[in-house]
Amino acid sequence: DSGVTQTPKHLITATGQRVTLRCSPRSGDLSVYWYQQSLDQGLQFLIQYYNGEERAKGNILERFSAQQFPDLHSELNLSSPELGDSALYFCASSFRDKKNTEAFFGQGTRLTVV
Amino acid sequence: DAKTTQPNSMESNEEEPVHLPCNHSTISGTDYIHWYRQLPSQGPEYVIHGLTSNVNNRMASLAIAEDRKSSTLILHRATLRDAAVYYCILRDWDTGNQFYFGTGTSLTVIP
Repeated sequence: DSGVTQTPKHLITATGQRVTLRCSPRSGDLSVYWYQQSLDQGLQFLIQYYNGEERAKGNILERFSAQQFPDLHSELNLSSPELGDSALYFCASSFRDKKNTEAFFGQGTRLTVV
Repeated sequence: DAKTTQPNSMESNEEEPVHLPCNHSTISGTDYIHWYRQLPSQGPEYVIHGLTSNVNNRMASLAIAEDRKSSTLILHRATLRDAAVYYCILRDWDTGNQFYFGTGTSLTVIP
């Protein structure tokens, strides 16, 4: 158990139906990362937050948004999911975002868009 | 732009050592080398990281070449549970200290 909790484990939604994925980082970790993993794309970095502030963005589409709350949990929102957004979404956390810090990943949320 | 190069796949017999190579010829002096692995249907798992010196932990050893242009993850005795995709990642200023995963090496452990 990495200490990172993602809910729900599975999520099925219709195209255009807004969804929210939730991540609770390990206790004390300030940084949260979101990744998307699909069969043909591998693990793609989406966005990172550090202590409530956006720190870095990857190739994240406009229909994706995220935030980190004062209690440090994070949510990834898809405003209008498309079929191609079906994937595994992983959240990771680390104490800091320095180069010598390891990250711990949750078990993921499997999103299926129908 | 690929910052690390790894073989697509490798095989090992159970209970034998495994050496997983990674090339990172563009590494700069302050970049850290990280290794993660992903077991089937699970999230990536931290294995080990280092800067210049060889590193050991309970999971594996990391051998870093003197010029730092390559590194090797060593699993001392492969078990069936070690079958996974192993990712070698550089954390550097260019990537904003992010973890950028490549395609990794898929390790098969043969009983």
